[in-house]
Amino acid sequence: NAGVTQTPKFQVLKTGQSMTLQCAQDMNHEYMSWYRQDPGMGLRLIHYSVGAGITDQGEVPNGYNVSRSTTEDFPLRLLSAAPSQTSVYFCASSSSDKGHGYTFGSGTRLTVV
Amino acid sequence: GENVEQHPSTLSVQEGDSAVIKCTYSDSASNYFPWYKQELGKGPQLIIDIRSNVGEKKDQRIAVTLNKTAKHFSLHITETQPEDSAVYFCAAWNSGYALNFGKGTSLLVTP
Repeated sequence: NAGVTQTPKFQVLKTGQSMTLQCAQDMNHEYMSWYRQDPGMGLRLIHYSVGAGITDQGEVPNGYNVSRSTTEDFPLRLLSAAPSQTSVYFCASSSSDKGHGYTFGSGTRLTVV
Repeated sequence: GENVEQHPSTLSVQEGDSAVIKCTYSDSASNYFPWYKQELGKGPQLIIDIRSNVGEKKDQRIAVTLNKTAKHFSLHITETQPEDSAVYFCAAWNSGYALNFGKGTSLLVTP
């Protein structure tokens, strides 16, 4: 059981470039979310999904797109990278039973220059 | 939306002492409150959680208490050890089907 797998682990982008952060889970979880973590800011919700085909915005969605075509995968797309998007990105998943906390991936450290 | 406040932001204790981290939340509909531990370079890991119909929950040296009336919950770590040093996050499950996190507490346990 791999849990939540995020790729890549590290990435450097130039301003204006686009890229996709991959997230996959093998626990058949319905709920998936993307968070970004910045020093002193905690974990802020970018987008989340309650099932295949259903996504919604979180606290800081601007500059990011998501889709959920399968239960397993929840990719995060940066449309035109900006230095303000330099951060550590975490994907997490949870079963539909709200009694279970999220399982987090190991993160993607993104630097935009 | 849900707003989760966490205090203190840093906490230093001596090995063997207790540590307490407190959180408040704003959405009275929140009904699930997990705590996460994050070690350097890793993703957050769930260490304990509590539902709104329970006032206290213990797991060995860690415990969580919940006061729904006052909308606050706390993490208690007893007999702290150096390996407890990490960043701890509280969270509340909001009505929008996602977790809202506090800003974190950096705990340092000195031998």
